[in-house]
Amino acid sequence: EDKVVQSPLSLVVHEGDTVTLNCSYEVTNFRSLLWYKQEKKAPTFLFMLTSSGIEKKSGRLSSILDKKELFSILNITATQTGDSAIYLCAVDDSNTGKLIFGQGTTLQVKP
Amino acid sequence: KAGVTQTPRYLIKTRGQQVTLSCSPISGHRSVSWYQQTPGQGLQFLFEYFSETQRNKGNFPGRFSGRQFSNSRSEMNVSTLELGDSALYLCASRKGLAGAQDTQYFGPGTRLTVL
Repeated sequence: EDKVVQSPLSLVVHEGDTVTLNCSYEVTNFRSLLWYKQEKKAPTFLFMLTSSGIEKKSGRLSSILDKKELFSILNITATQTGDSAIYLCAVDDSNTGKLIFGQGTTLQVKP
Repeated sequence: KAGVTQTPRYLIKTRGQQVTLSCSPISGHRSVSWYQQTPGQGLQFLFEYFSETQRNKGNFPGRFSGRQFSNSRSEMNVSTLELGDSALYLCASRKGLAGAQDTQYFGPGTRLTVL
């Protein structure tokens, strides 16, 4: 059965810290891997990764995919309280067109 | 460009009733997918519509159904509501062309509470 697993499930850090969120997957028909940020509303898109080893970067956030080892990481540097959210990893299944989500990592950034 | 919109944002129903949720995709997007989000199960895929046809379906009972109109707007219906149907229902849209690596963008969701 296809699955996506995120770790850790929750994380508490202080402002200025750097965090690394992990996502491993076992999906037969992999098309792409996506990261979303969810606050008290809809998930907002962060990155889509399709090729191994190419880092995507947006400000203090960056992500990379390893298709050989079947995992991705999301890095957040110099964290701010506004980074507090649930971070969701999902794999786009090319056979069904659905996103298979991990459980999410709840990040709390304390002042 | 306007994002994905969903109505209503909040809904309270009682067991046994039925409910219809609506989703308008981003302009130019022809694929609409629906997801259910609960604390216990996380985000789970319900179904996807493309060009008015259901293209894929998740593992949910037949009480959950949907449809898509010619303007790509979609509705989701849940009949004979159960307490366990209480959840955030999210709609996502994308261009949806076959083989394309395009991103799904989510709407704000409809929070359904079943009493």
